[in-house]
Amino acid sequence: QKEVEQNSGPLSVPEGAIASLNCTYSDRVSQSFFWYRQYSGKSPELIMSIYSNGDKEDGRFTAQLNKASQYVSLLIRDSQPSDSATYLCAVRPSGGSYIPTFGRGTSLIVHP
Amino acid sequence: NAGVMQNPRHLVRRRGQEARLRCSPMKGHSHVYWYRQLPEEGLKFMVYLQKENIIDESGMPKERFSAEFPKEGPSILRIQQVVRGDSAAYFCASSPQGKTDTQYFGPGTRLTVL
Repeated sequence: QKEVEQNSGPLSVPEGAIASLNCTYSDRVSQSFFWYRQYSGKSPELIMSIYSNGDKEDGRFTAQLNKASQYVSLLIRDSQPSDSATYLCAVRPSGGSYIPTFGRGTSLIVHP
Repeated sequence: NAGVMQNPRHLVRRRGQEARLRCSPMKGHSHVYWYRQLPEEGLKFMVYLQKENIIDESGMPKERFSAEFPKEGPSILRIQQVVRGDSAAYFCASSPQGKTDTQYFGPGTRLTVL
């Protein structure tokens, strides 16, 4: 059973701070990793994908991948109240039909 | 440039009735995926379809659930004889040919079983 684990939170940070969201996965040979943002009552929206070890930056978002530790994280710099949402980590397996496995998500609250 | 469309957005059924959920993928997308999300839980994969073909149904319950993606028209997720435990948000996603990890989600159908 391939698993993707996230702390459910909520993670509460003040406006302007860095929010750090973490995710671990069990399938050692996974190749593709994704972060989705889901506002309450809405559908998931892809915000970042990362495929190789290291950091990938896109605006205020940075995804970090460490395949040796089976760990992927998302950093949100200069957090805004509009970033308050649930962040889902998804990991694409190494075989089968390559459907990503989603974690349960971490709830982020950015307070003014 | 319409995104993934799902209807109805909200569906209420009594126990034992049938629920039909529809999904139209983004223009140019030939792959459709169905997910279920229960309160406080993550997205659970149900089924992956291409036109007239089920590619992966490993997440589908063995009974009462079926899915199709006909040559013409939307993909349909059908739940027969619904029970209260079927109450959930059902999301459809689509992707272009050959890119199963680039999925775009529809707004979802919230199913409530009374």
